[in-house]
Amino acid sequence: QQQVKQSPQSLIVQKGGISIINCAYENTAFDYFPWYQQFPGKGPALLIAIRPDVSEKKEGRFTISFNKSAKQFSLHIMDSQPGDSATYFCAASSKAGGGNKLTFGTGTQLKVEL
Amino acid sequence: DGGITQSPKYLFRKEGQNVTLSCEQNLNHDAMYWYRQDPGQGLRLIYYSQIVNDFQKGDIAEGYSVSREKKESFPLTVTSAQKNPTAFYLCASSIAGQGTVLTFGSGTRLTVV
Repeated sequence: QQQVKQSPQSLIVQKGGISIINCAYENTAFDYFPWYQQFPGKGPALLIAIRPDVSEKKEGRFTISFNKSAKQFSLHIMDSQPGDSATYFCAASSKAGGGNKLTFGTGTQLKVEL
Repeated sequence: DGGITQSPKYLFRKEGQNVTLSCEQNLNHDAMYWYRQDPGQGLRLIYYSQIVNDFQKGDIAEGYSVSREKKESFPLTVTSAQKNPTAFYLCASSIAGQGTVLTFGSGTRLTVV
């Protein structure tokens, strides 16, 4: 049972373009939505995160857009660079049940071409 | 520098053998986690531990075992009961109560032949 659905599976963007990765969730108890970035052969690292009380969060070239009614959130990478080429995971968590476990999406492999 | 060390980076084992993956952290984090990564399936939680001498099963615990005898160490044993053990295994840690902000190790790629 996949609680966080992520698309697309892979994405190719030209340098300077906008990369957009989408995620949808089903569990309305989720209250924290982070994005992790993973380079080949490395572990993921926290990139940016949002809580459902705001609709958008921006950090540099990275923006999360959040639509609570649609239960969807997305990552936008502006002015995409070759160094952004990595796998991106969306995730969600809930404090319900006493734990703060993350449920991850299936990942998007981004390639930024020159 | 503080961080999480996973060793070895690559591990080969014969089918039917148990194998233990090492995970050590010097971040003074209370909570530690093991995830399995397979192509197209994201990261799936195997086991997690919020405190020493206590751990809970994650979503795919069958065929795995863990121990948490020390705060800084959380080894994972892949047993012969795991039907498809070949995968990339990631260890992570977090401050207690902040399990959503994970620090990951660089992973161990296990290949069973």
